[in-house]
Amino acid sequence: AQRVTQPEKLLSVFKGAPVELKCNYSYSGSPELFWYVQYSRQRLQLLLRHISRESIKGFTADLNKGETSFHLKKPFAQEEDSAMYYCALAYNTDKLIFGTGTRLQVFP
Amino acid sequence: NAGVTQTPKFQVLKTGQSMTLQCAQDMNHNSMYWYRQDPGMGLRLIYYSASEGTTDKGEVPNGYNVSRLNKREFSLRLESAAPSQTSVYFCASTSAGTYEQYFGPGTRLTVT
Repeated sequence: AQRVTQPEKLLSVFKGAPVELKCNYSYSGSPELFWYVQYSRQRLQLLLRHISRESIKGFTADLNKGETSFHLKKPFAQEEDSAMYYCALAYNTDKLIFGTGTRLQVFP
Repeated sequence: NAGVTQTPKFQVLKTGQSMTLQCAQDMNHNSMYWYRQDPGMGLRLIYYSASEGTTDKGEVPNGYNVSRLNKREFSLRLESAAPSQTSVYFCASTSAGTYEQYFGPGTRLTVT
């Protein structure tokens, strides 16, 4: 069965430090992976998807099929990056399964 | 475009009471979803609807019913609320052939 694992519930860093939010997945097919973000008092929104290979707000994520990982990275964290981040895996044509989420706190 | 809207924003129920959470989208999306968000559990799919008139169970459907009234609206009903259903409920939608889901603002439900 498909599964998404985010091992860290909370990640705290200082402004300017590098950030890596971990995501591992289990899926028998060809994976499509996403990162969603939820800022305080805002709705959940798509941050990036592996297929587009783009950088959004300085964040990147590379799909590593060998390690079944899709870690989210940013070289220099900003205070406005503080939010809840969810990794998600697509399955069955139009469903997503979400990880348990990682709260990122960036201190000034 | 309002995107995905949900009502109400907050609700407090007593055990055994019933209520319906409303969701509507104006993006002409085919698929709609109901999730619950609990601390440490992430988002879990309750029900989803691939098109008007069709619904399917997700990961945690027990205690809930849904209705896809038309393409725009997808409601979630709690027939007899239980404290275990205290959660934040999110509705989402997506168009066919894409996995990008658009979320509503959520409904915070407390069952006492």
